[in-house]
Amino acid sequence: EVQLVQSGAEVEKPGESLKISCKGSGYSFTSYWIGWVRQMPGKGLEYMGIIYPGDSDTRYSPSFQGQVTISADKSISTAYLQWSSLKASDTAMYYCARLYSGTYYVDYWGQGTLVTVSS
Amino acid sequence: EIVVTQSPATLSVSPGERATLSCRASQTVSSNLAWYQQKPGQAPRLLIYGASTRATGIPARLSGSGSGTEFTLTIRSLQSEDFAVYYCQQYNNWPWTFGQGTKVEIK
Repeated sequence: EVQLVQSGAEVEKPGESLKISCKGSGYSFTSYWIGWVRQMPGKGLEYMGIIYPGDSDTRYSPSFQGQVTISADKSISTAYLQWSSLKASDTAMYYCARLYSGTYYVDYWGQGTLVTVSS
Repeated sequence: EIVVTQSPATLSVSPGERATLSCRASQTVSSNLAWYQQKPGQAPRLLIYGASTRATGIPARLSGSGSGTEFTLTIRSLQSEDFAVYYCQQYNNWPWTFGQGTKVEIK
C-alpha cells in the first residue's frame, strides 16, 4: 500500500527555521516525483515545488522560489520542505503528494502538516 | 504561468440532482487536467486525470470531459458524500496550477 506520512503539526515564531518531512512507503521512492502543496487557512491549493528523489532534480514555482527549500534523502525515502526564516504568512497546511509516473497528476497525498507561525 | 479558473465558486444542489462544474485554462493544456475532491479536515483525493479518466474507486456517476482550455466535471445524482470542494489542476506546463475551487453544497 502506497503511503505518504508527514511529520506532525508545528508552532513556531517568526524568524525561526523549520523543516517538515514526508516519508514514502509501499513503492519505489526514487521513481516518482514528490510535490509540495500549500493551503492557507480557508483558501485553495498552490503548488510550491517538486523533487525527483532519484537524482534530486528540483523545480520551484516562481512564487516560492527563494522562499523555501525542497530536498530529499532517498536512503530513508523521505522528502523535506524547509524554511530559513518563517513569516506569519507561512501559516498554512502543507501537503506532500506523489506524482504519477510519466505524467504529473497527484495520485497519492500525505495527510498534511499544519504549520502555525505566531509571535 | 497558466491561470486556471473554476466556475461557479459555489454550487447549491439538492441530493439526487446533477452538478456541472466548469474549469477553464488561460492557454491550452491538452488533456493534462485533473480533478480533486476535498472534504473539511482532509487531504484532497484524485477523482479524474487525463481530463476524463476516472481514478481507481471513483464511481461512474462522476465524469470528466473537455480538452484544450475548457473542461467539465459532471456529477450525476448527487449523494451525501459528494458535497465537498472540487479543484481542477493543469499539469501541462510547469508550474502546475490549481483552480480556486468550487464548493458543492446542499440546497
